[in-house]
Amino acid sequence: AQSVTQLDSHVSVSEGTPVLLRCNYSSSYSPSLFWYVQHPNKGLQLLLKYTSAATLVKGINGFEAEFKKSETSFHLTKPSAHMSDAAEYFCVVRGSYSGAGSYQLTFGKGTKLSVIP
Amino acid sequence: SQTIHQWPATLVQPVGSPLSLECTVEGTSNPNLYWYRQAAGRGLQLLFYSVGIGQISSEVPQNLSASRPQDRQFILSSKKLLLSDSGFYLCAWSRGEGFSLPGYTFGSGTRLTVV
Repeated sequence: AQSVTQLDSHVSVSEGTPVLLRCNYSSSYSPSLFWYVQHPNKGLQLLLKYTSAATLVKGINGFEAEFKKSETSFHLTKPSAHMSDAAEYFCVVRGSYSGAGSYQLTFGKGTKLSVIP
Repeated sequence: SQTIHQWPATLVQPVGSPLSLECTVEGTSNPNLYWYRQAAGRGLQLLFYSVGIGQISSEVPQNLSASRPQDRQFILSSKKLLLSDSGFYLCAWSRGEGFSLPGYTFGSGTRLTVV
């Protein structure tokens, strides 16, 4: 079984300052991890994914995340926040096989990011 | 290119009324299809998935059901809604290995409020 814990339900940063969204996971095997973003009234969009290649993963819109096995963490960062980054972010771990080559996803509860002008 | 459509965007229904949410995918064939729900203050929860027409797997026992009458159509239903069915429902699709590019693709969601 696997689980995901997003440590903050709400993060507020000023525009131009760094963003840190924290995620810890548990998995009985080497995990695949993802960050998704959901803007208001829009669908979920994949930001980045880790699938056992490089531990520092670069995604879209300047976001990146570092997989740290010793800390079971996969925190999402961005050097400088932009107003358009305001959204809800979900950390996701790939779950059990669900047949036909596909897998289930386990989502964290989400972190709402507010960006103050 | 592939697109996923989900409707309606918002829905307010009385307790005990039926429910039908529809999701269709375009631009691909034989997709894997999923229904997720996000209840207030909780993470996304997988409700149903389907790997083919008429093939439905349920992850959580509840008063909801799903059907896949056509290859690219996935329907979430209920005969009698409960207050606890309120939430944000997301349809998603993936092709084969769920994390080949671009991975899972989600619809825009349906905000359901049961009153």
